Order: sequence, then structure tokens, then C-alpha cells
Amino acid sequence: DGGITQSPKYLFRKEGQNVTLSCEQNLNHDAMYWYRQDPGQGLRLIYYSQIVNDFQKGDIAEGYSVSREKKESFPLTVTSAQKNPTAFYLCASSIFSGRTGELFFGEGSRLTVL
Amino acid sequence: GQSLEQPSEVTAVEGAIVQINCTYQTSGFYGLSWYQQHDGGAPTFLSYNALDGLEETGRFSSFLSRSDSYGYLLLQELQMKDSASYFCAVPAPLGGYNKLIFGAGTRLAVHP
Repeated sequence: DGGITQSPKYLFRKEGQNVTLSCEQNLNHDAMYWYRQDPGQGLRLIYYSQIVNDFQKGDIAEGYSVSREKKESFPLTVTSAQKNPTAFYLCASSIFSGRTGELFFGEGSRLTVL
Repeated sequence: GQSLEQPSEVTAVEGAIVQINCTYQTSGFYGLSWYQQHDGGAPTFLSYNALDGLEETGRFSSFLSRSDSYGYLLLQELQMKDSASYFCAVPAPLGGYNKLIFGAGTRLAVHP
């Protein structure tokens, strides 16, 4: 079945540590996105990528980094510079051309900083 | 910039009809999407309206009025499983076709 796989589902980290969240898709989508969701709030865009080896900052990119070396993969690193990293992180993908308004989401990774 | 407003909570009973409103302000408008998210789960796509009018998909319908910068999601014959958060979203005018900006979400509680 086609879809998006995020791992790990739950992650605990100590302050000052970098962590990397994995996102893999087999939908053959060109565009991929990382969103952050805080309790009771909407989704805020961290980074997005429309093609391999290219990515752009979203609205809250500070303290995060990404790479897009393969079409299928778009990992997100939460660095120690991120002041409030505890959140639910969602990876998504979409077709590249045409506005369909449709994103396909993974099941999310819940990061807790201790 | 872009902003979307929707009510924070709505409560309804099983079998009833509920309407979740969304008003938006964007520098360029291409359409309005709706997503459903159960607690702890992934958002799932429900609908996308690019043109004015009502679109129906089973028990769910979505409406758009571009002149009023307004849309709504209509849920009929409510079931307990419809208890979830519902988000409206618009494509950002720059930066990719489906780069979406989301509202804060409406939490729907369905009671027996």
C-alpha cells in the first residue's frame, strides 16, 4: 500500500540534543512538507521541498534543518537551537503540479524534551 | 499574509447536522480545503473547493463563497466517530501548489 511512514512514533530527548525524525513516502510525490502541531492548535509549516536537492523554509524554520537527497525521503532534524521542541510533528506529501488542496500525511512523531 | 478563522469548539448530538464555518483572508485565493483529525492521529483530506457552491461527498458537504471569503463544512447524520478536530486550509499564494496554511481547528464533540 502506498503511503507515508514516519518514525519514531514517540521520541524523548534531553535538552541540548539534536534529534532526527524520519519521513519516507512511496506515493511517487514530488513535494514533501513538515508541519508542527502544538496541543489545541493548527498545523504550522516548518520546511517544504518541491524537488530533490531543493527545499524552502516555512513559517517556523528556526531551530530545524532538513535534507532532500532522495525523492522518497525528507528527514527533519530538530536541533538544540529550537527553544521549544516538544510537539507533534507531521510529514506530508503532495503532487507537484496543480492545486488540489490535498496533502497526504504520515501518522506523526511525538517529540518530548525532558 | 494569510489567516483563517474557525470556531474552536462545536457540540452536537448523534443524528444531527452541524456546520463548521471558516472565514479567510489571503493575498491570493485558489481554494479551500477541509481536513479531519482524530486525537493523536494524522489529518485526513475531506474536500477541496476551488469554485463557489456546494459539493457533497456522502454525509459531508463543503461550501464556498469567494465573494464573502467564507466556506463551511456540513456534517449530516452525525455519528460518534465524527468526534474529531476539523481544519480548514488554503494554498499559500507563493511557494508551491499545495503548500497549505491551516486554521487553528474546530473540535467537534458528538454526544449520544
